[in-house]
Amino acid sequence: SAVISQKPSRDICQRGTSLTIQCQVDSQVTMMFWYRQQPGQSLTLIATANQGSEATYESGFVIDKFPISRPNLTFSTLTVSNMSPEDSSIYLCSVGTEPYEQYFGPGTRLTVT
Amino acid sequence: ILNVEQSPQSLHVQEGDSTNFTCSFPSSNFYALHWYRWETAKSPEALFVMTLNGDEKKKGRISATLNTKEGYSYLYIKGSQPEDSATYLCAPKHGSSNTGKLIFGQGTTLQVKP
Repeated sequence: SAVISQKPSRDICQRGTSLTIQCQVDSQVTMMFWYRQQPGQSLTLIATANQGSEATYESGFVIDKFPISRPNLTFSTLTVSNMSPEDSSIYLCSVGTEPYEQYFGPGTRLTVT
Repeated sequence: ILNVEQSPQSLHVQEGDSTNFTCSFPSSNFYALHWYRWETAKSPEALFVMTLNGDEKKKGRISATLNTKEGYSYLYIKGSQPEDSATYLCAPKHGSSNTGKLIFGQGTTLQVKP
């Protein structure tokens, strides 16, 4: 298994500002992902964080809005830029380990006012 | 876009009742199915990963079955306890390897009354 921590655990931000969320894993992992759960919605994949190269974004998500860094195999950040109330969500970091498992961090609960 | 459906959306049962939920997903190009339990303010907890048609897995009072040919999975909880109250999420993965992405259903929220 993998132990994942995220910072901050929650935040309240003003519209127009940006927030960077950090994800730290206790072991080296190849696959690292960022998800979002908006109120009343499913968990939705934002992007796959690739070590040493640009993240791979899912349809509907763009780098300018959600820049991601992955400097090594144990750490990643997700920035939510120029926030609006629609960005109020739970943001989760997740890692995949072979052959099948995928684990999640505790999430960052973001409220944009 | 893959469609994953979970039913019911929510469920209220009395302590001691047994219950079950359904997850349906596209059967083509199936790789694995994940079940998670998500309690408020905690990480989603991995319950089961199932890969083979006919698979049955058990963890304490919770068990799950998988039918990959028709694209569904059942999760059973025997003798529900208040601590089982949570949202239960299923997520299939399609493709030929673990690099595929999980697609989540909306979840079944279970409330167990003492």
